[in-house]
Amino acid sequence: NAGVTQTPKFQVLKTGQSMTLQCAQDMNHEYMSWYRQDPGMGLRLIHYSVGAGITDQGEVPNGYNVSRSTTEDFPLRLLSAAPSQTSVYFCASSPLGWGSQPQHFGDGTRLSIL
Amino acid sequence: DAKTTQPTSMDCAEGRAANLPCNHSTISGNEYVYWYRQIHSQGPQYIIHGLKNNETNEMASLIITEDRKSSTLILPHATLRDTAVYYCIVRVAGNYQLIWGAGTKLIIKP
Repeated sequence: NAGVTQTPKFQVLKTGQSMTLQCAQDMNHEYMSWYRQDPGMGLRLIHYSVGAGITDQGEVPNGYNVSRSTTEDFPLRLLSAAPSQTSVYFCASSPLGWGSQPQHFGDGTRLSIL
Repeated sequence: DAKTTQPTSMDCAEGRAANLPCNHSTISGNEYVYWYRQIHSQGPQYIIHGLKNNETNEMASLIITEDRKSSTLILPHATLRDTAVYYCIVRVAGNYQLIWGAGTKLIIKP
């Protein structure tokens, strides 16, 4: 009963490095999204996807890329890490359809940029 | 910006009911009220949601006022493990984006 799995749990990068945060879900959910959470604040949406091959920007997309080649996976790429991207990153998924289905969240990736 | 207003923090004694208020005075007719909580910066956990009727599940009850401008999340018998930040969010059905505020930090005291 894995749900939403994020890897790695912790990562330290140097400014300018690139990396990919992984997110996988085993619930066959069409909708997946990435959020970041800075200390003492709520989550902010970075990118989201409503199905394989379909992605769109959220509130804070700059500096991040996403792709969705399968229903299960939704990786988030940092192209050139900056200290302002130090944050906790959460991936979420939910079914599609006109309704009120809640989103399921992973346990997060804690990222520090030096 | 978040469409909800919540108190910054609240205390509750262990074993008592915890009542967390939320104001959403600009809510539209097709917007649901959702509650999530976050324990120790873990991933947010879904608690309950509703449109206009009161709702209850194994975790909590949600009371929505008749004019839908406010709601209350009730944890009937709070335990120390309920200490968390609780988020109240309004969301249009079919719109999958959640707009998060800062939430209410609930501290359960022995």
